[in-house]
Amino acid sequence: DQQVKQNSPSLSVQEGRISILNCDYTNSMFDYFLWYKKYPAEGPTFLISISSIKDKNEDGRFTVFLNKSAKHLSLHIVPSQPGDSAVYFCAASAQGSSNTGKLIFGQGTTLQVKP
Amino acid sequence: ETGVTQTPRHLVMGMTNKKSLKCEQHLGHNAMYWYKQSAKKPLELMFVYNFKEQTENNSVPSRFSPECPNSSHLFLHLHTLQPEDSALYLCASSQDGGMGTQYFGPGTRLTVL
Repeated sequence: DQQVKQNSPSLSVQEGRISILNCDYTNSMFDYFLWYKKYPAEGPTFLISISSIKDKNEDGRFTVFLNKSAKHLSLHIVPSQPGDSAVYFCAASAQGSSNTGKLIFGQGTTLQVKP
Repeated sequence: ETGVTQTPRHLVMGMTNKKSLKCEQHLGHNAMYWYKQSAKKPLELMFVYNFKEQTENNSVPSRFSPECPNSSHLFLHLHTLQPEDSALYLCASSQDGGMGTQYFGPGTRLTVL
């Protein structure tokens, strides 16, 4: 049973336009969410995170939106650049007292930004 | 060196070999993690160490044996592996176990023949 799902395996966007990557989760105990970017032959690189006490967090071209009632988060990249082409993973954890640092990852979405 | 480093980057081994993967973090963190990424699957957490103590073993077979001698170093000892264990093995660290962002190393691409 997959607790974090990224239902779109791939996304193609024109340079300069907005990229929207989506992620759904099922566990209502999750209260901390992260997005990672991964290039081939490299480890995942942390991009941006959001706590469940917020519904939006922004860092430069990257914005993460959290809809707790829908158990849905999304990553917006605007404007998209060719260097953003990578695999994007969302991850979630429950930061409560019993948490051992377990991050649950989605399957990833491959973003291609065309020049 | 900065961040999280892993050696070797690539490893090919037979099913009867014994090998070890090494991870080192230069971030002053107290928690370290091993993940496995198989083709077409999400990253799977294997082990968590917090202040050198193992706090999570995600039902990993005993042919994988972790070791954490201090908060900066983490090893994964491998013996009698199976071809289905071929995957990318990623190490990560965070400030404290259970809290905050995890930072990943580049991974070791393991092939078991």
